[in-house]
Amino acid sequence: QSALTQPASVSGSPGQSITISCTGTNSDVGGYNYVSWYQQNPGKAPRLIISEVNNRPSGVSIRFSGSKSDNTASLTISGLQAEDEADYYCSSYTRSGTLVFGGGTRLTVL
Amino acid sequence: EVQLVESGGGLVQPGGSLRLSCEVSGLIFSRNWMHWVRQVPGKGLVWVSCISSDGTASHYAESVKGRFTISRDNARNTLYLQMNSLRDEDTALYYCVKETFGFAFPYWGQGAMVSVSS
Repeated sequence: QSALTQPASVSGSPGQSITISCTGTNSDVGGYNYVSWYQQNPGKAPRLIISEVNNRPSGVSIRFSGSKSDNTASLTISGLQAEDEADYYCSSYTRSGTLVFGGGTRLTVL
Repeated sequence: EVQLVESGGGLVQPGGSLRLSCEVSGLIFSRNWMHWVRQVPGKGLVWVSCISSDGTASHYAESVKGRFTISRDNARNTLYLQMNSLRDEDTALYYCVKETFGFAFPYWGQGAMVSVSS
């Protein structure tokens, strides 16, 4: 199972909006609404920020939103803040009953 | 408070074995699937394996199939990962993860470091 494709890095200024893409196939992202997104700060365990494409767990800022079109899922962060600077990973359930992660995206807040 | 505490990591030679444990508290352990996810320091997350709530079904990443075995003891609220025939490329921080509906991972341990080197 190949990793889902994410851009290696994205950047934005405070207050702006950014979008991180996550591209798979119809055997994973395109076949199921089981895409999740995680935020990871250095030295910390990942934190779930989006589940099932666009559900925000309790306590996650409304500035985080998810969507999906065909084989590509997207995470949008609006009103960018310095504290959003982190690594972001997508994941998807697959037809094989396994999970697959994206390669990760480093977000830099300029 | 939900806690997932991994143990059993360490340094092992190529070809060796290691067993990781993950003790879970603060939630009903037997209710959900459990997973192992690994991460080479400075690199991305990689899914390794999962096991059903009753322990009767499991899945593995191709890279560890036939070498790793996942198991659980619901009476002890503990998840295990038996790792045999270890390779240099198995060196990573191994996270114990509890799944919720939708194959999402809201609960993570702090990780157990496994280093494979001669």
